[in-house]
Amino acid sequence: KAGVTQTPRYLIKTRGQQVTLSCSPISGHRSVSWYQQTPGQGLQFLFEYFSETQRNKGNFPGRFSGRQFSNSRSEMNVSTLELGDSALYLCASSLAGYFSDEQYFGPGTRLTVT
Amino acid sequence: AQSVAQPEDQVNVAEGNPLTVKCTYSVSGNPYLFWYVQYPNRGLQFLLKYITGDNLVKGSYGFEAEFNKSQTSFHLKKPSALVSDSALYFCAVRDLTGANNLFFGTGTRLTVIP
Repeated sequence: KAGVTQTPRYLIKTRGQQVTLSCSPISGHRSVSWYQQTPGQGLQFLFEYFSETQRNKGNFPGRFSGRQFSNSRSEMNVSTLELGDSALYLCASSLAGYFSDEQYFGPGTRLTVT
Repeated sequence: AQSVAQPEDQVNVAEGNPLTVKCTYSVSGNPYLFWYVQYPNRGLQFLLKYITGDNLVKGSYGFEAEFNKSQTSFHLKKPSALVSDSALYFCAVRDLTGANNLFFGTGTRLTVIP
C-alpha cells in the first residue's frame, strides 16, 4: 500500500505571498492531520480533518487554513507568508482518527520564505 | 494540559550496546503514548504505541518501550544498537480527556558509534 505523499517537496516563496501544500493519505485513511516542524518550536499541531470537516485545530493564526476533499486528500494554505513560516510541514493520516490510532507521516514539504 | 519531556537532546551509544531514550509525560487523564523516528529529509516513522495492557510494548526494528505509570515514563529501549538506528526520536502523547492530536516531545538525537 502506498504511503502518505506530499507535494511539492520543496518550496521557496517570498514574504507576503501565499502557498498551498497538498497531501494524499494512505488509501482507506479518513483522518488527515498537519504539523509544522521547526528547529525552535519542534513539532506543532496545525489541524485535523475527518470526512471533509475540521475536527481539531492547533494554536496557529488564521493565515493557516486547510481543507479536505471527498477522497480524503487534503490541502493546507498559508496566506501572507512571514519569514517565521519557514518550516517542514508534515501531513499524517490515520484510519479514523481514534485516540488509539497511530498516524502515518508523509516526507513533508520544506517551505522557505525569503 | 498535556506535555512530554525528552530530557536528553543527544544520546551516544556504541554499536552492539543497549540503548535507552528517555521520555516522561504529563496528562490529565489516561495517556496513549507513541514513539516515532525521523531520518534525515524524511517524515516520521511510527515505532510503537502503548494503549493499555502489558506495560512492555514491542515495536518495529527490535525496539521496545516500557510504560511506568507511577513514574509517568515511557522509555524507548533496544537490546543491541545498530549504526542504522542513528536518527531523531520523538515521544508523543494523547490525553484522552483532550483533543486527539499528538503532542510531541522535543526529540532526542541518537548516534550509534561503530
